[in-house]
Amino acid sequence: AQSVAQPEDQVNVAEGNPLTVKCTYSVSGNPYLFWYVQYPNRGLQFLLKYITGDNLVKGSYGFEAEFNKSQTSFHLKKPSALVSDSALYFCAVRDTRRKLIWGLGTSLAVNP
Amino acid sequence: DAGVIQSPRHEVTEMGQEVTLRCKPISGHNSLFWYRQTMMRGLELLIYFNNNVPIDDSGMPEDRFSAKMPNASFSTLKIQPSEPRDSAVYFCASSWGSTENTEAFFGQGTRLTVV
Repeated sequence: AQSVAQPEDQVNVAEGNPLTVKCTYSVSGNPYLFWYVQYPNRGLQFLLKYITGDNLVKGSYGFEAEFNKSQTSFHLKKPSALVSDSALYFCAVRDTRRKLIWGLGTSLAVNP
Repeated sequence: DAGVIQSPRHEVTEMGQEVTLRCKPISGHNSLFWYRQTMMRGLELLIYFNNNVPIDDSGMPEDRFSAKMPNASFSTLKIQPSEPRDSAVYFCASSWGSTENTEAFFGQGTRLTVV
């Protein structure tokens, strides 16, 4: 079955430390992968995507993600976390029916 | 551009009443999506329009839900009759071009509470 997993419901990190939010996927064919962020009482905002090419994708607000085909992962990273990065993060993958499959989200808390 | 605009932001209604949610996509976008978000089920795609035509409504829970897109700048999601289990945040999103590799822009959502 085609799916996306975000294994951590919550991630806590100190301000200034690097952060990683994990995502693994299962999909037939070449995956199209996305990360979105949701701030409280707001809609989702696009951060970055992997379609093809370089495995390291750079996105908005200093975030980047690394596509790893052998591990079927697309982890979101940032070298130095900010308190303002605290939000809900969603990973999504386009399946063979051209629909987005969404993870359940990971709540990131950056502590000052 | 003001982005995707949804109204109302909050709706509280009694069970059995009709509820209509509204969405204005970003000008020039040709794809529109309605999503429902709950704690238990996360983000679910309800229906997807392309060039005002419903392409995939397999996510619509049941016949009580209906969606229309009479023109490129307006869409509605209607629930009739509403039930408490319909309580959720409903998002509208729009995008341009192929849905395979194009990011979607989301509205701020409508928080629906059915009592």
